[in-house]
Amino acid sequence: QAVVTQEPSLTVSPGGTVTLTCGSSTGAVTSGHFPYWFQQKPGQAPRTLIYDTTNKHSWTPARFSGSLLGGKAALTLSGAQPEDEAEYYCLLSYSGARPVFGGGTKLTVL
Amino acid sequence: EVQLVESGGGLVQPGGSLRLSCAASGFTVSNNYMTWVRQAPGKGLEWVSVIHSGGSTYYADSVKGRFTISRDNSKNTVYLQMNTLRAEDTAAYYCARFPGGGEWGQGTLVTVSS
Repeated sequence: QAVVTQEPSLTVSPGGTVTLTCGSSTGAVTSGHFPYWFQQKPGQAPRTLIYDTTNKHSWTPARFSGSLLGGKAALTLSGAQPEDEAEYYCLLSYSGARPVFGGGTKLTVL
Repeated sequence: EVQLVESGGGLVQPGGSLRLSCAASGFTVSNNYMTWVRQAPGKGLEWVSVIHSGGSTYYADSVKGRFTISRDNSKNTVYLQMNTLRAEDTAAYYCARFPGGGEWGQGTLVTVSS
């Protein structure tokens, strides 16, 4: 089974910009992995932010965006707010195999 | 408004069984992909199973042969039948409408312990 890697933790200043990445042990992440990004705050269920690399849901704040960057999926937060402090998970789909979550990135806004 | 409500969690002994339910409203389950995800205490998310709109089902290797995903179109509900439960199945179980939607339920806690 593939291993999906994320930064264990990142810190961003309020109003700042930060990019979280999602890599795959099998090689470059492409749109064919249909990358998803989820946000989870303590004690809450996850919430889907981004699907299929770049697409947002109606509830996704405009300051979040998804992309492919340097062979990885990326989630960029521009203009961080205190309420963005959370755990962020990516999910990659693999042809002929089961989807795999990354280990999560704990984002601190400080 | 789309809503997913899980139920059926609880305390069960190793080797026992539980059936989780995910009641959906605001959309038709049979027209969507429905996924179960779990999260062990203090750990990350783990993909468990999906049922496609066409009825195909897929499982994580860790639960294959022990868990069964199904749906009841008349009740607009998705189920996860969990048999031969192990201590490592202890987790919060979430159902979610994805791929395709994006909504999640609030989760139900399963504890496998003697």
